[in-house]
Amino acid sequence: DTEVTQTPKHLVMGMTNKKSLKCEQHMGHRAMYWYKQKAKKPPELMFVYSYEKLSINESVPSRFSPECPNSSLLNLHLHALQPEDSALYLCASSQAAAGASGGVTQYFGPGTRLLVL
Amino acid sequence: EDQVTQSPEALRLQEGESSSLNCSYTVSGLRGLFWYRQDPGKGPEFLFTLYSAGEEKEKERLKATLTKKESFLHITAPKPEDSATYLCAVRRGGGSEKLVFGKGTKLTVNP
Repeated sequence: DTEVTQTPKHLVMGMTNKKSLKCEQHMGHRAMYWYKQKAKKPPELMFVYSYEKLSINESVPSRFSPECPNSSLLNLHLHALQPEDSALYLCASSQAAAGASGGVTQYFGPGTRLLVL
Repeated sequence: EDQVTQSPEALRLQEGESSSLNCSYTVSGLRGLFWYRQDPGKGPEFLFTLYSAGEEKEKERLKATLTKKESFLHITAPKPEDSATYLCAVRRGGGSEKLVFGKGTKLTVNP
């Protein structure tokens, strides 16, 4: 089973709201990722967690705050977003973490479609 | 700088008309080339991982091949349900977890 689940599927929020996106995997994967994807563009990496520790932050604005409570769960907390943050937010996981030569295939969830008004 | 270029940007085929998608890459110490399929508004669906030149993998009507400079995704006798955007990504060596994606090829298969 290579399933990554994400909730909610859709989210509409105002610029003053606080909301959270949730991602879960039960494959025993040790690395988890957040991506942002705009229409007709490839996914852009935002954050990487390796063994529950933040290993990569791609200079993402502080209005996006990631959290990894345990090895199966990844959250993305959203606060004071801008309309240009509207996008499809994708979570992914891979079996191995940094430095591994194998087990590096990333499996993506279905995404959360976010609209900021 | 790592770079992935996919061609063509868009491809229209008739059902049953075989063709190939190309992914050219420049990366320092390739540690994996990945093919994904993505339907509109959904997350990328994993298809193949290739690690070394000469490697080939098949799944139903799809076959992926890898050389030192490019990868091909061959589609044999496609069906309308194969219509999607196909993404290619590479992972560099040196312990990086980051994938570099191409811009994708949008495939449309007409009945």
